[in-house]
Amino acid sequence: EAGVVQSPRYKIIEKKQPVAFWCNPISGHNTLYWYRQNLGQGPELLIRYENEEAVDDSQLPKDRFSAERLKGVDSTLKIQPAELGDSAVYLCASSLGLAGALDTQYFGPGTRLTVL
Amino acid sequence: QKEVEQNSGPLSVPEGAIASLNCTYSDRVSQSFFWYRQYSGKSPELIMSIYSNGDKEDGRFTAQLNKASQYVSLLIRDSQPSDSATYLCAVNIKNTGFQKLVFGTGTRLLVSP
Repeated sequence: EAGVVQSPRYKIIEKKQPVAFWCNPISGHNTLYWYRQNLGQGPELLIRYENEEAVDDSQLPKDRFSAERLKGVDSTLKIQPAELGDSAVYLCASSLGLAGALDTQYFGPGTRLTVL
Repeated sequence: QKEVEQNSGPLSVPEGAIASLNCTYSDRVSQSFFWYRQYSGKSPELIMSIYSNGDKEDGRFTAQLNKASQYVSLLIRDSQPSDSATYLCAVNIKNTGFQKLVFGTGTRLLVSP
Protein backbone atom coordinates (compact mmCIF):
# COMPACT_ATOMS: atom_id res chain seq x y z
CA GLU A 1 0.00 0.00 0.00
CA ALA A 2 1.39 3.40 -0.97
CA GLY A 3 1.99 5.84 1.85
CA VAL A 4 1.33 9.55 2.00
CA VAL A 5 2.98 11.29 -0.94
CA GLN A 6 4.27 14.84 -0.80
CA SER A 7 6.00 17.10 -3.26
CA PRO A 8 8.33 18.79 -3.60
CA ARG A 9 10.71 17.28 -1.07
CA TYR A 10 12.81 20.42 -0.88
CA LYS A 11 12.12 24.03 -1.77
CA ILE A 12 14.35 27.09 -1.51
CA ILE A 13 12.79 30.48 -2.15
CA GLU A 14 13.47 34.11 -1.39
CA LYS A 15 11.32 35.94 1.11
CA LYS A 16 8.13 37.49 -0.21
CA GLN A 17 7.86 34.78 -2.89
CA PRO A 18 4.90 32.39 -2.97
CA VAL A 19 5.27 28.64 -2.45
CA ALA A 20 2.92 25.68 -2.63
CA PHE A 21 3.10 22.16 -1.26
CA TRP A 22 1.11 19.17 -2.49
CA CYS A 23 -0.08 16.08 -0.63
CA ASN A 24 -1.77 12.87 -1.69
CA PRO A 25 -3.04 10.85 1.31
CA ILE A 26 -3.21 7.11 1.75
CA SER A 27 -6.03 5.68 -0.33
CA GLY A 28 -9.24 5.51 1.66
CA HIS A 29 -8.11 7.98 4.32
CA ASN A 30 -10.78 10.63 4.77
CA THR A 31 -8.88 12.86 7.15
CA LEU A 32 -5.88 14.89 6.08
CA TYR A 33 -3.60 17.04 8.21
CA TRP A 34 -0.95 19.65 7.54
CA TYR A 35 1.72 20.12 10.17
CA ARG A 36 4.73 22.38 10.48
CA GLN A 37 7.84 21.14 12.24
CA ASN A 38 10.54 23.55 13.30
CA LEU A 39 14.03 22.32 14.10
CA GLY A 40 14.18 20.61 17.47
CA GLN A 41 10.42 20.71 17.92
CA GLY A 42 7.54 18.32 17.45
CA PRO A 43 5.08 18.77 14.59
CA GLU A 44 2.40 21.43 15.14
CA LEU A 45 -0.99 21.14 13.48
CA LEU A 46 -1.86 23.82 10.94
CA ILE A 47 -5.11 22.48 9.52
CA ARG A 48 -7.23 19.33 9.48
CA TYR A 49 -9.63 18.25 6.75
CA GLU A 50 -12.49 15.80 7.04
CA ASN A 51 -13.04 14.93 3.38
CA GLU A 52 -13.11 18.34 1.68
CA GLU A 53 -14.13 20.31 4.78
CA ALA A 54 -11.56 22.15 6.90
CA VAL A 55 -12.74 21.28 10.41
CA ASP A 56 -9.84 22.76 12.39
CA ASP A 57 -7.81 25.63 10.97
CA SER A 58 -7.38 27.51 14.23
CA GLN A 59 -3.57 27.28 14.01
CA LEU A 60 -3.28 28.35 10.38
CA PRO A 61 -1.85 31.90 9.96
CA LYS A 62 -4.60 33.00 7.63
CA ASP A 63 -2.98 36.25 6.57
CA ARG A 64 -0.44 34.38 4.47
CA PHE A 65 -1.33 30.68 4.54
CA SER A 66 -4.13 29.00 2.65
CA ALA A 67 -5.07 25.41 1.99
CA GLU A 68 -7.53 23.50 -0.08
CA ARG A 69 -8.63 19.91 -0.52
CA LEU A 70 -10.75 19.79 -3.61
CA LYS A 71 -12.74 16.56 -4.11
CA GLY A 72 -11.63 15.38 -0.69
CA VAL A 73 -8.43 13.67 -1.83
CA ASP A 74 -5.31 15.68 -2.73
CA SER A 75 -4.50 18.83 -0.83
CA THR A 76 -2.42 21.91 -1.43
CA LEU A 77 -0.94 24.23 1.19
CA LYS A 78 0.17 27.67 0.02
CA ILE A 79 2.20 30.44 1.59
CA GLN A 80 2.06 33.91 0.05
CA PRO A 81 4.23 35.82 0.71
CA ALA A 82 6.82 33.68 2.49
CA GLU A 83 8.76 35.08 5.43
CA LEU A 84 12.10 34.02 6.87
CA GLY A 85 10.34 32.47 9.86
CA ASP A 86 8.42 30.10 7.59
CA SER A 87 11.54 27.98 7.08
CA ALA A 88 10.55 24.57 8.44
CA VAL A 89 9.49 21.09 7.38
CA TYR A 90 5.87 20.91 6.26
CA LEU A 91 4.38 17.50 6.94
CA CYS A 92 1.20 16.03 5.59
CA ALA A 93 -0.50 13.18 7.42
CA SER A 94 -3.64 11.18 6.84
CA SER A 95 -5.92 8.90 8.82
CA LEU A 96 -9.05 6.84 8.28
CA GLY A 97 -11.14 9.37 10.18
CA LEU A 98 -12.38 6.98 12.85
CA ALA A 99 -14.59 8.53 15.49
CA GLY A 100 -13.24 8.88 18.99
CA ALA A 101 -9.73 8.14 20.11
CA LEU A 102 -8.72 5.29 17.82
CA ASP A 103 -7.70 7.24 14.74
CA THR A 104 -4.02 6.82 13.84
CA GLN A 105 -2.14 9.31 11.71
CA TYR A 106 0.49 8.36 9.15
CA PHE A 107 2.97 10.93 7.90
CA GLY A 108 4.38 11.68 4.50
CA PRO A 109 8.08 12.42 3.91
CA GLY A 110 7.61 16.17 4.30
CA THR A 111 8.73 19.24 2.36
CA ARG A 112 11.74 21.08 3.71
CA LEU A 113 11.26 24.79 3.02
CA THR A 114 14.12 27.25 3.22
CA VAL A 115 13.31 30.95 2.91
CA LEU A 116 16.30 33.17 2.16
CA GLN B 1 2.62 24.03 31.60
CA LYS B 2 3.17 22.49 28.18
CA GLU B 3 0.46 20.14 26.98
CA VAL B 4 2.97 17.34 26.32
CA GLU B 5 6.40 17.33 27.92
CA GLN B 6 9.45 15.23 27.19
CA ASN B 7 13.07 15.46 28.21
CA SER B 8 14.96 16.50 25.07
CA GLY B 9 17.97 14.34 25.96
CA PRO B 10 20.13 13.04 24.54
CA LEU B 11 19.57 9.77 26.34
CA SER B 12 22.65 7.62 25.84
CA VAL B 13 22.54 3.86 26.38
CA PRO B 14 24.91 1.06 25.41
CA GLU B 15 23.87 -1.54 22.87
CA GLY B 16 21.79 -4.27 24.47
CA ALA B 17 20.54 -2.11 27.33
CA ILE B 18 16.97 -0.99 28.04
CA ALA B 19 16.14 2.55 26.98
CA SER B 20 13.36 4.26 28.94
CA LEU B 21 11.65 7.28 27.41
CA ASN B 22 9.15 9.31 29.39
CA CYS B 23 6.35 11.71 28.63
CA THR B 24 3.84 13.65 30.75
CA TYR B 25 0.69 15.37 29.55
CA SER B 26 -1.64 18.00 30.92
CA ASP B 27 -5.12 17.03 29.68
CA ARG B 28 -6.62 14.69 32.24
CA VAL B 29 -9.29 13.39 29.84
CA SER B 30 -6.95 12.40 27.00
CA GLN B 31 -7.77 8.93 25.69
CA SER B 32 -5.15 8.04 23.10
CA PHE B 33 -1.40 8.15 23.16
CA PHE B 34 1.20 7.50 20.51
CA TRP B 35 4.93 7.07 20.18
CA TYR B 36 6.58 8.07 16.90
CA ARG B 37 10.19 7.53 15.91
CA GLN B 38 11.89 10.16 13.76
CA TYR B 39 15.27 9.63 12.18
CA SER B 40 17.27 12.74 11.32
CA GLY B 41 15.92 14.31 8.14
CA LYS B 42 12.98 11.89 7.97
CA SER B 43 9.31 12.10 8.88
CA PRO B 44 7.74 10.63 12.05
CA GLU B 45 7.01 6.90 11.91
CA LEU B 46 4.42 5.35 14.22
CA ILE B 47 5.82 2.78 16.65
CA MET B 48 3.11 2.24 19.24
CA SER B 49 -0.32 3.41 20.24
CA ILE B 50 -1.87 2.85 23.68
CA TYR B 51 -5.32 3.64 24.98
CA SER B 52 -5.71 1.79 28.29
CA ASN B 53 -3.81 1.90 31.55
CA GLY B 54 -1.05 -0.66 31.83
CA ASP B 55 1.50 -2.09 29.46
CA LYS B 56 1.33 -2.86 25.77
CA GLU B 57 4.13 -4.88 24.21
CA ASP B 58 5.16 -5.11 20.56
CA GLY B 59 8.45 -6.90 19.95
CA ARG B 60 11.23 -5.03 21.71
CA PHE B 61 8.95 -2.09 22.47
CA THR B 62 6.67 -1.68 25.49
CA ALA B 63 4.42 1.31 26.01
CA GLN B 64 3.22 2.03 29.53
CA LEU B 65 0.30 4.29 30.41
CA ASN B 66 -0.75 5.66 33.78
CA LYS B 67 -3.70 8.01 33.33
CA ALA B 68 -3.92 8.85 37.04
CA SER B 69 -0.37 10.20 36.92
CA GLN B 70 -0.80 11.54 33.37
CA TYR B 71 2.31 9.68 32.34
CA VAL B 72 3.21 7.55 29.36
CA SER B 73 6.51 5.84 28.68
CA LEU B 74 8.24 3.77 26.05
CA LEU B 75 10.72 1.02 26.90
CA ILE B 76 13.06 -0.33 24.25
CA ARG B 77 14.64 -3.63 25.20
CA ASP B 78 17.93 -4.88 23.73
CA SER B 79 18.62 -1.43 22.27
CA GLN B 80 20.39 -1.40 18.92
CA PRO B 81 22.41 1.38 17.25
CA SER B 82 19.65 1.49 14.63
CA ASP B 83 17.27 2.64 17.39
CA SER B 84 19.20 5.92 17.59
CA ALA B 85 16.61 8.54 16.67
CA THR B 86 14.29 11.10 18.20
CA TYR B 87 11.21 9.64 19.86
CA LEU B 88 8.11 11.81 19.81
CA CYS B 89 5.29 11.37 22.30
CA ALA B 90 1.91 12.44 20.95
CA VAL B 91 -1.32 12.82 22.91
CA ASN B 92 -4.85 13.32 21.61
CA ILE B 93 -6.02 16.50 23.34
CA LYS B 94 -9.31 18.33 23.12
CA ASN B 95 -8.64 22.00 22.53
CA THR B 96 -11.19 24.69 21.66
CA GLY B 97 -13.72 22.01 20.87
CA PHE B 98 -11.50 19.96 18.56
CA GLN B 99 -9.56 16.79 19.19
CA LYS B 100 -6.03 17.16 17.93
CA LEU B 101 -2.74 15.34 18.26
CA VAL B 102 -0.25 17.34 20.29
CA PHE B 103 3.41 16.35 20.11
CA GLY B 104 6.17 16.75 22.62
CA THR B 105 9.51 18.13 21.53
CA GLY B 106 10.95 14.62 21.38
CA THR B 107 13.71 12.77 23.20
CA ARG B 108 16.88 12.06 21.29
CA LEU B 109 18.15 8.52 21.91
CA LEU B 110 21.74 7.51 21.20
CA VAL B 111 22.62 3.81 21.33
CA SER B 112 26.35 3.21 21.31
CA PRO B 113 27.86 -0.05 19.94
